[in-house]
Amino acid sequence: AQTVTQSQPEMSVQEAETVTLSCTYDTSESDYYLFWYKQPPSRQMILVIRQEAYKQQNATENRFSVNFQKAAKSFSLKISDSQLGDAAMYFCAYATYPSNTGKLIFGQGTTLQVKP
Amino acid sequence: NAGVTQTPKFQVLKTGQSMTLQCAQDMNHEYMSWYRQDPGMGLRLIHYSVGAGITDQGEVPNGYNVSRSTTEDFPLRLLSAAPSQTSVYFCASSTGRDRDKNFGAGTRLSVL
Repeated sequence: AQTVTQSQPEMSVQEAETVTLSCTYDTSESDYYLFWYKQPPSRQMILVIRQEAYKQQNATENRFSVNFQKAAKSFSLKISDSQLGDAAMYFCAYATYPSNTGKLIFGQGTTLQVKP
Repeated sequence: NAGVTQTPKFQVLKTGQSMTLQCAQDMNHEYMSWYRQDPGMGLRLIHYSVGAGITDQGEVPNGYNVSRSTTEDFPLRLLSAAPSQTSVYFCASSTGRDRDKNFGAGTRLSVL
């Protein structure tokens, strides 16, 4: 069975600085999807970034980028130029490929605090 | 499009009561799923469906029933609520071609 682990329950960063959130996973599959979701106090789940395991290039979305290390089964999220609006809980998640049936496996979450 | 709509947003139940959490999507998505979110445990899959008439169990299905009579709706039923079911519940939908999930706004349920 696949598992996802986020070992940092809480992180903090100064506004405008860079922070990295860690995620490791375990799977015997060779192809899969990995995601980072943001959950602000509103509770809404917002997709931040996705990575397909067959792509060697790390995904990037504006200030958000990932460091995908397939052999190490590591998938960290880097937030550059942190903003107050980035404060939220962040979840790492795994999904099978190609039949993405709606089954996501989540990590425990990391609460990010952004200090002004 | 309204996306994924969950009702109610909040609910308080007494132990032993039953209720149905509603989930509807207007995007014609084949895949729908229910998760519960508990502190320190992330979101865990309860039940999921790959199409009308087809459902299957996820990681934590005990105490919950689902059915999928239409593509649009995927209700989650608590037959006899227990305090351990106090949680925030999320419904999500997606297509087979769409790797991204659309999540509802969540339902906060308290069982006393």
